[in-house]
Amino acid sequence: GAGVSQSPSNKVTEKGKDVELRCDPISGHTALYWYRQRLGQGLEFLIYFQGNSAPDKSGLPSDRFSAERTGESVSTLTIQRTQQEDSAVYLCASSLLLDSGNTIYFGEGSWLTVV
Amino acid sequence: QKEVEQNSGPLSVPEGAIASLNCTYSDRGSQSFFWYRQYSGKSPELIMSIYSNGDKEDGRFTAQLNKASQYVSLLIRDSQPSDSATYLCAVIEGYSTLTFGKGTMLLVSP
Repeated sequence: GAGVSQSPSNKVTEKGKDVELRCDPISGHTALYWYRQRLGQGLEFLIYFQGNSAPDKSGLPSDRFSAERTGESVSTLTIQRTQQEDSAVYLCASSLLLDSGNTIYFGEGSWLTVV
Repeated sequence: QKEVEQNSGPLSVPEGAIASLNCTYSDRGSQSFFWYRQYSGKSPELIMSIYSNGDKEDGRFTAQLNKASQYVSLLIRDSQPSDSATYLCAVIEGYSTLTFGKGTMLLVSP
C-alpha cells in the first residue's frame, strides 16, 4: 500500500474487554514497530518486528499486551483485560530494514478509549 | 538506558522569525537522527533526517548535528503559523529502535 494503514482508527471499549489493533505496513517493509502515546505525552516504544520475529519484547507494559506478525506483513497488537490506563493512541510504523539508515514511517494510529 | 532530551516548551516565536529547536541524546553510539513534526491529534511525520556532523538544509528547515557534543538541532526559517506543532527528536543506533524525545511544542504567532 501507499502508506502504513491501521485499524480501527477509533475504538471505545469497556474495562476488562480484550481489543485487537491491526497494522498493515508499507509493502516491502521488513521492520515494523508499535508505539503508544498517551494524551499529551511522548511516544513510548512497545515492540518491534524484524520479519516475523520480535527480538525485544521488553517494551510491552505488562503481560496483558502481546503482538504478532505474520507473512512479514500484517501485525496485530492485542490488549487483554483492558484497563483505563491503556487509553492512548497506538501508533504503528514501518521501515524498509531495521537499519540506521532507513526512514521510519508512521500510520495514523488507533485511538483506544477504555471506559 | 538511551535517553533523548528536549525542552517541552512551548517555544513561542513571531511569524517570519527563526525557530530553534534543540535535542540532546545520551547514547554515543547513535548514528541516525530524525526530526518529526506532530500536529495535535495526528501521527508524527518525518521532516528531516541527518547522519553526519554538520548542517543539512531542506527548504526552510536546517538540521544540525554535533556528535561530539551529542546534540542535534532543527532550525525553521521564516516561521509560519502552520509550523505550530510539536517537534519530536528521534535517535537510532544501528540495528535498534527509534527512541523519541518527549517533544517541543512550537507556537508561531501571526
